[in-house]
Amino acid sequence: QVQLVQSGAEVKKPGASVKVSCKASGYTFANYDINWLRQAPGQGLEWMGWMNPNNSITAYAKKFRGRVTMTRDASISTAYMELTGLKSEDAAVYFCARENDGSGYYFDSWGQGTLVTVSS
Amino acid sequence: SYDLTQSPSVSVSPGQTARISCSGDAFPKQYAFWYQQRPGQAPVLVIYKDSERPSGVPDRFSGSSSGATVTLTISGVQAEDEADYYCQSADSTAAYPVFGGGTKLTVL
Repeated sequence: QVQLVQSGAEVKKPGASVKVSCKASGYTFANYDINWLRQAPGQGLEWMGWMNPNNSITAYAKKFRGRVTMTRDASISTAYMELTGLKSEDAAVYFCARENDGSGYYFDSWGQGTLVTVSS
Repeated sequence: SYDLTQSPSVSVSPGQTARISCSGDAFPKQYAFWYQQRPGQAPVLVIYKDSERPSGVPDRFSGSSSGATVTLTISGVQAEDEADYYCQSADSTAAYPVFGGGTKLTVL
């Protein structure tokens, strides 16, 4: 079955960077875009961007451009999201999600989430 | 702020029907999708393409669309349905997803 397994919780200081991984299994990694979203405590879902694992093409939400980088290591079916210049407002649970390749833009599988704490 | 508008909360007793609505300019041009998120868990897709149900999702979950409003209906609500529900669609060019702010379903 399709599975996305993310790396563990992180604690970072303001100004630092965080890199979260998302290991895919149960399907052909190259065939589905991986999106990254986040959820601040008590808040809704916020889309950050997507990456095509086949060619590494990316698109980022305007809010995160210049601070986020999405990459992948196809040899181990793993996607990465790095966010730099962390601020307290970046404290959130970060999710990777597989974008369905059918009609419509939606997510049929999600990682379990990675809690990122930003604190001095 | 969110591109899609959902009421913050809905409360129903077990066995009753819960209706969660979502409105926005994305509809009806773009499809609606619904996710269930239990506390401390990742979202799970429960409805796609307005009214389709993924395999494994109970048939008490259904979706409908009318103009600029889409609705998730849960018939015969059970205690396990208590969760946050998010609607999602896409921008006019389907270049990025847009979300509602979520509706907390409380089972009394």
